[in-house]
Amino acid sequence: DAGVIQSPRHEVTEMGQEVTLRCKPISGHNSLFWYRQTMMRGLELLIYFNNNVPIDDSGMPEDRFSAKMPNASFSTLKIQPSEPRDSAVYFCASSFSGSGELFFGEGSRLTVL
Amino acid sequence: DQQVKQNSPSLSVQEGRISILNCDYTNSMFDYFLWYKKYPAEGPTFLISISSIKDKNEDGRFTVFLNKSAKHLSLHIVPSQPGDSAVYFCAAVQARKIHGSSNTGKLIFGQGTTLQVKP
Repeated sequence: DAGVIQSPRHEVTEMGQEVTLRCKPISGHNSLFWYRQTMMRGLELLIYFNNNVPIDDSGMPEDRFSAKMPNASFSTLKIQPSEPRDSAVYFCASSFSGSGELFFGEGSRLTVL
Repeated sequence: DQQVKQNSPSLSVQEGRISILNCDYTNSMFDYFLWYKKYPAEGPTFLISISSIKDKNEDGRFTVFLNKSAKHLSLHIVPSQPGDSAVYFCAAVQARKIHGSSNTGKLIFGQGTTLQVKP
């Protein structure tokens, strides 16, 4: 079975540009999470969805960040406009019925110059 | 407002010895705790978990201890092996019902502890 698939694996962009990160969760999982990893804060939850509905977006840093889940097999995290402080590794994870055990993708490393 | 804290950024132990990684939490509503392991350039992977109704869970070389009164959990690795070198994240979750049908939880992670096991 394929795990959580994220793209792109690496993204280098210039400040002010729009960035879109993509995630395909494990088939059958009904919860999807976006995390950001930084040295200072570790794994920081940005937003999570349950059955495609956003449940908690309190971790989204500011209005420049938005996330969508148009169907059970796809989610996007968009940053517009991007800033250097957004540079981090962004992880997508999925789980089934909130078992607590999340399955993570390999992450998207974002560098904003 | 860090609800889950790992106060030791790094730990170095000798192969064969015990590794003890610590984690503290502040939210008494958390009812399930997990440890994840992360290698460079990979996503975190689940290692072991414990429910709040237990105080110990063991899986091979890995044991997690929970002290609810102290809001503290620890991960013991015995014996430690070089392949255990990785970043370890503790996480906590409070299960909740959404729309009366499914359970889901907001998994909160600590900052991580980098373990180095020396041969």
